[in-house]
Amino acid sequence: DAGVTQSPTHLIKTRGQQVTLRCSPISGHKSVSWYQQVLGQGPQFIFQYYEKEERGRGNFPDRFSARQFPNYSSELNVNALLLGDSALYLCASSLEWGRETQYFGPGTRLLVL
Amino acid sequence: KNQVEQSPQSLIILEGKNCTLQCNYTVSPFSNLRWYKQDTGRGPVSLTIMTFSENTKSNGRYTATLDADTKQSSLHITASQLSDSASYICVVSAGIKAAGNKLTFGGGTRVLVKP
Repeated sequence: DAGVTQSPTHLIKTRGQQVTLRCSPISGHKSVSWYQQVLGQGPQFIFQYYEKEERGRGNFPDRFSARQFPNYSSELNVNALLLGDSALYLCASSLEWGRETQYFGPGTRLLVL
Repeated sequence: KNQVEQSPQSLIILEGKNCTLQCNYTVSPFSNLRWYKQDTGRGPVSLTIMTFSENTKSNGRYTATLDADTKQSSLHITASQLSDSASYICVVSAGIKAAGNKLTFGGGTRVLVKP
């Protein structure tokens, strides 16, 4: 079975641009979460979606938005990019929403110049 | 404020030796605690998950312990191998399902195993 997949693997943008990151969960998983991991730190929670509805939001500005599609895949959008948005963006899926083990994708490494 | 603190920040050990990583947390209400292994540039991979009633869980050469009274956990790596070189992240989940899957991540311990 395929694990969580994310695209693209790497991305370079300039300040002020917008970016869209994509995630496909493990087949059968209905919950997708997004995390930002700055180099040398643990992941920081951005969003969680379950059954296409937002179920949790971390302490990130409104420049960050996300959505989940009927097939449970998800997109993370970041507008007006800042240098500080450079990070590894991780997507994790779980069967349901709550205490289920999350399975992480390989991440998308974003560099903002 | 929910927090997870890990120590040490980094660790160098010789191949074949054992090591123990520590995790202290202040997360309420507590649901479960997980240890993840993260290779450089990759997503974290789950090693163990423990609920309030469990005080030890093993996964091969990895053994995690949990003391819910003192809010401490440890991850013990036995007979380390070069492939154990990675960051190990302690993650604690808050217990109210209605509040969403609120995970608090530690900063990780970077382990380097040398031959």
